[in-house]
Amino acid sequence: AQKITQTQPGMFVQEKEAVTLDCTYDTSDQSYGLFWYKQPSSGEMIFLIYQGSYDEQNATEGRYSLNFQKARKSANLVISASQLGDSAMYFCAMREGYNTDKLIFGTGTRLQVFP
Amino acid sequence: DSGVTQTPKHLITATGQRVTLRCSPRSGDLSVYWYQQSLDQGLQFLIQYYNGEERAKGNILERFSAQQFPDLHSELNLSSLELGDSALYFCASSPYLGGYTFGSGTRLTVV
Repeated sequence: AQKITQTQPGMFVQEKEAVTLDCTYDTSDQSYGLFWYKQPSSGEMIFLIYQGSYDEQNATEGRYSLNFQKARKSANLVISASQLGDSAMYFCAMREGYNTDKLIFGTGTRLQVFP
Repeated sequence: DSGVTQTPKHLITATGQRVTLRCSPRSGDLSVYWYQQSLDQGLQFLIQYYNGEERAKGNILERFSAQQFPDLHSELNLSSLELGDSALYFCASSPYLGGYTFGSGTRLTVV
């Protein structure tokens, strides 16, 4: 069964520094997609970045980049130049295969950015 | 505004009652997904509909049911509510195999 593991319950980072949030996944499928979502205290789920299993380049979206290491089955989120507004819960999620397109989520990492 | 509309935003009800949560997907999206987020279970996939048909089922209790209507909006019905059903319920929509857009959620409190 597919599984997403986020081993960091909480992380602290100083403003303007970079931070890496870890995510490992387990799947036997060759085709899958990996997502990161941000959930601020207001509760909404905000899409950040996507990586397809066949994408050869790491995905980037502004200050967000995804460090995709397929052999190690890891998909870490890197946030550069952290801002106070980045303080939130961050969830890694996976879509496995073509026919089963539901998302499976990890347990999340709470990031706190301090001045 | 994500384009996915969930109503109501907050709901407080008593144990044993029944409630209906509503979701209007983003325009053009055929798939609707329901998720439950609770403190002890995290984000759990409940059920998916695609163009009116049930497509996938997750950890959805028998007391819960859902449907997607011809105009593609979806409703999640929760009955015989228990204290443990208190959670944030999300709806998400996507075009076929596309990205997922989440609504702002319905926070259900069972007292």
